[in-house]
Amino acid sequence: DQQVKQNSPSLSVQEGRISILNCDYTNSMFDYFLWYKKYPAEGPTFLISISSIKDKNEDGRFTVFLNKSAKHLSLHIVPSQPGDSAVYFCAASGLGRNSGGYQKVTFGTGTKLQVIP
Amino acid sequence: DTGVSQNPRHKITKRGQNVTFRCDPISEHNRLYWYRQTLGQGPEFLTYFQNEAQLEKSRLLSDRFSAERPKGSFSTLEIQRTEQGDSAMYLCASSFLGQVTDTQYFGPGTRLTVL
Repeated sequence: DQQVKQNSPSLSVQEGRISILNCDYTNSMFDYFLWYKKYPAEGPTFLISISSIKDKNEDGRFTVFLNKSAKHLSLHIVPSQPGDSAVYFCAASGLGRNSGGYQKVTFGTGTKLQVIP
Repeated sequence: DTGVSQNPRHKITKRGQNVTFRCDPISEHNRLYWYRQTLGQGPEFLTYFQNEAQLEKSRLLSDRFSAERPKGSFSTLEIQRTEQGDSAMYLCASSFLGQVTDTQYFGPGTRLTVL
């Protein structure tokens, strides 16, 4: 059961244009959402996050939007740059079953973004 | 420093052999996680430590897998009697207890190939 879904395995965007990456989730207990970027042969790098009490978070060229009623979030990159070409993972977090406030993170399958110069 | 480091970066082994991977988290981080990633998939949670205590294990972690974090600093993940299905990227991540939210920072991973 895929609780975090990224239905677009790949996306190509022209340099300077907007990239929009989408993510859907099914578990209403998720309350914290993250985006990671991954280059080949490297581990995922944290990019931006959003708490369920917000609907938008912005950091430079990156903005994440959260629509809780639709259980949907998106990552906007504007303007897109060739260095943004990577695999982007959406992740969602909710309380794990053990003590300590641990929040188990569930990842989507990733979207490969290619920014064309 | 430095971020999360993992060693080795690559490991090729024959089926049936034992392998051990090491993870050194960010120094002030007291939470440590192991994930496995296969081609076309996102990272899948394996296990989690808070300091030296292993607090959660995924059903993915069979009896052949064992993880330790003896002094609450570095961690090791051992796979006994490796199988070809164990071939994957093994990722370690760490985070800091005390944050309101749990942003995990990943290492570069250890790519395991079982022949």
